[in-house]
Amino acid sequence: NAGVMQNPRHLVRRRGQEARLRCSPMKGHSHVYWYRQLPEEGLKFMVYLQKENIIDESGMPKERFSAEFPKEGPSILRIQQVVRGDSAAYFCASSPTGVNSPLHFGNGTRLTVT
Amino acid sequence: TQLLEQSPQFLSIQEGENLTVYCNSSSVFSSLQWYRQEPGEGPVLLVTVVTGGEVKKLKRLTFQFGDARKDSSLHITAAQTGDTGLYLCAGGQGGSEKLVFGKGTKLTVNP
Repeated sequence: NAGVMQNPRHLVRRRGQEARLRCSPMKGHSHVYWYRQLPEEGLKFMVYLQKENIIDESGMPKERFSAEFPKEGPSILRIQQVVRGDSAAYFCASSPTGVNSPLHFGNGTRLTVT
Repeated sequence: TQLLEQSPQFLSIQEGENLTVYCNSSSVFSSLQWYRQEPGEGPVLLVTVVTGGEVKKLKRLTFQFGDARKDSSLHITAAQTGDTGLYLCAGGQGGSEKLVFGKGTKLTVNP
């Protein structure tokens, strides 16, 4: 039973480019969460999605950031026109029935903006 | 803004010693989770506590949720080198799916 799969593990982008981060939840999980972790900081909630719906995006910057979780395929976190401050580790987590059930995290995508 | 303060930030001990790390907040949480994260990996859930005063044991790890559900502690007995890692606490609130994470305690257990 594969865990939460994130790819790529490492992503390097130049300022102004786009970054696309992918997350395949565990089989049977329809709830997906994205968190960002900066060095020496805790994880910060970004967005919560269920299949085809964004439920809570209160932690996601209004500009340049978007997320989706289509009916088929992985969840995508998209960052347009990246800036140096976007450099961080981005973690995806999934659960079968929401946060009251155990969250399973992927191993993250480390984004470096040069 | 809800905050979870973890202390100490760093802890380096010898194998066999006991230790306690803390997670404190001025906010009330409906649940409190503890995770361990190793370098280059995602956090792994250790335990969830939901009732004020609750104590849960996981082998050599003992987790306690404060009576007022504002704080929690993790006690490790006879630490082993395999306990090395970043320990994160995360608070949840009823009606919200998001977790508030502390910055973590980085534990190093030396042989």
